[in-house]
Amino acid sequence: AQSVTQLDSQVPVFEEAPVELRCNYSSSVSVYLFWYVQYPNQGLQLLLKYLSGSTLVKGINGFEAEFNKSQTSFHLRKPSVHISDTAEYFCAVSESGYNKLIFGAGTRLAVHP
Amino acid sequence: DAGITQSPRHKVTETGTPVTLRCHQTENHRYMYWYRQDPGHGLRLIHYSYGVKDTDKGEVSDGYSVSRSKTEDFLLTLESATSSQTSVYFCAIRGSIGDTEAFFGQGTRLTVV
Repeated sequence: AQSVTQLDSQVPVFEEAPVELRCNYSSSVSVYLFWYVQYPNQGLQLLLKYLSGSTLVKGINGFEAEFNKSQTSFHLRKPSVHISDTAEYFCAVSESGYNKLIFGAGTRLAVHP
Repeated sequence: DAGITQSPRHKVTETGTPVTLRCHQTENHRYMYWYRQDPGHGLRLIHYSYGVKDTDKGEVSDGYSVSRSKTEDFLLTLESATSSQTSVYFCAIRGSIGDTEAFFGQGTRLTVV
């Protein structure tokens, strides 16, 4: 069965510093991987997704993620964060050919001035 | 924004009463999901639907039932609400399995007293 582990529940960082949010998944078949962002009191919106092909995926707002099959990881990165990036970030996995979309527990990113 | 409407947006109910949450979509998407969001747990899948009258259980389905009599509506029912079901509930829709993103509603905040 598929599962997702987000390794950090909270990540504090100063403005303009780089950040990495870590995500590992478990699956026995091919997967599709997603990162979503949730701003306070809102629903979730897609940041980026990995389907196939290049392992480096670029998304909105300057975020990117790298798929590493051997380490079953899909870490999210941004080279320079802004105050407005303060939000909760969710990694999600969907197994090829299956209906379920499973989420991790989330990482709360707090950007400080 | 994807056409997803959740109702009600907020509800307070008493333990032991039945509660129904509604998710309505205007996108004609085949797949619909109900999640609950709790601190430290991220989003957990309750039930999902892959077509009219076709539903299946998710990770945390005990105490919940669903129905989908029309493509556009997916109802979540708590037969007898308990305090442990106090949560924020999100509906999501998806056009196809696997490689497409899920679009989320704004959420319903349910409090069981």
